[in-house]
Amino acid sequence: ELKVEQNPLFLSMQEGKNYTIYCNYSTTSDRLYWYRQDPGKSLESLFVLLSNGAVKQEGRLMASLDTKARLSTLHITAAVHDLSATYFCAVVQNDMRFGAGTRLTVKP
Amino acid sequence: ETGVTQSPTHLIKTRGQQVTLRCSSQSGHNTVSWYQQALGQGPQFIFQYYREEENGRGNFPPRFSGLQFPNYSSELNVNALELDDSALYLCASSARQGVEDTQYFGPGTRLTVL
Repeated sequence: ELKVEQNPLFLSMQEGKNYTIYCNYSTTSDRLYWYRQDPGKSLESLFVLLSNGAVKQEGRLMASLDTKARLSTLHITAAVHDLSATYFCAVVQNDMRFGAGTRLTVKP
Repeated sequence: ETGVTQSPTHLIKTRGQQVTLRCSSQSGHNTVSWYQQALGQGPQFIFQYYREEENGRGNFPPRFSGLQFPNYSSELNVNALELDDSALYLCASSARQGVEDTQYFGPGTRLTVL
């Protein structure tokens, strides 16, 4: 059964700092998604990673995929308060499996 | 272009009752997927509908059922509600069959079962 694990589950960071969120999954998949969710809101698609070695960047967020290691990372550069949200990775096999989410708080 | 919409936004039911949640897909999308998101957890896949047929199902009991209409809007029905059914129910639409295509999520329906 496909399992998706994110860590850390909670992350509190200072503005201006860098950090990485990790997403490990248990079986072969070559398609991984990152979503953002603000409190009480729906999911916003951030990145779709389609192949081994894929890297995508948008603003202060950069996502990468290593299908051999079954690992994706979401790197945050010079965090700002507006990035505070919960970030989910999701992996596709027969259905879409989400990780438990990383709740990010960026403090001034 | 109209995004994914869901109704109602909030709903309170009692144990044993039945509920119907509704979703209108994004313009041009023919596939709708439903997810249950319990508080503090990631969404869990319930099922997907493509051109009015169920096209994949997660690990949910048969009391969770759905429909898709010719205009690609969809309903999620839950019978014999249980306390654990309290959650945010999200629908997502995509342009193609299967879960591989990027899905666009609606705002969700918050269901509380008392």
